[in-house]
Amino acid sequence: AQSVSQHNHHVILSEAASLELGCNYSYGGTVNLFWYVQYPGQHLQLLLKYFSGDPLVKGIKGFEAEFIKSKFSFNLRKPSVQWSDTAEYFCAVNARSSYKLIFGSGTRLLVRP
Amino acid sequence: DARVTQTPRHKVTEMGQEVTMRCQPILGHNTVFWYRQTMMQGLELLAYFRNRAPLDDSGMPKDRFSAEMPDATLATLKIQPSEPRDSAVYFCASGLALPGGTEAFFGQGTRLTVV
Repeated sequence: AQSVSQHNHHVILSEAASLELGCNYSYGGTVNLFWYVQYPGQHLQLLLKYFSGDPLVKGIKGFEAEFIKSKFSFNLRKPSVQWSDTAEYFCAVNARSSYKLIFGSGTRLLVRP
Repeated sequence: DARVTQTPRHKVTEMGQEVTMRCQPILGHNTVFWYRQTMMQGLELLAYFRNRAPLDDSGMPKDRFSAEMPDATLATLKIQPSEPRDSAVYFCASGLALPGGTEAFFGQGTRLTVV
């Protein structure tokens, strides 16, 4: 069965700081990988996804993630965060054989102005 | 603008009552997921369907929860009888399962409070 681990539960940064959120997954087969964002009181929105090809994926709002297959990792990065990036971030893995979509426990990001 | 529609948005009910949550997936999507979100457990996958057939409902308490897709435009999640520990936000998501993968689009959620 697949699983997802997000290492940081809470992250506090100042505006313009760089961001990296860790995500590791466990699954022996082929997977698709996602990062979703949930702003306070809202639903989940897709930030970016990896299906195949270039392991460096660029998403919306300046976010990017790198798939490192040997490390089973899919870390999210942003060079310079803004106050509006305050939200909860979820990593998710979708096993291609079953289409089951499993989420990590989430990372709450607070960006101080 | 295509979106997943969930009703009701908020529901307060008394313990022991039946609760039905509805989801209208995006037209043309063939995969529907139900998730429950709580502070303690995060996002839990309750059940998911592909082409209206249930593929996995192992995340759902079978004695009180049931999920169905009466047709391609409607998915339902029922709790009977409801308990205070069922209080949570329930999200529906839909996607189009393709050979390369499936991207899920989420609804606004139903915030359920059982008193």
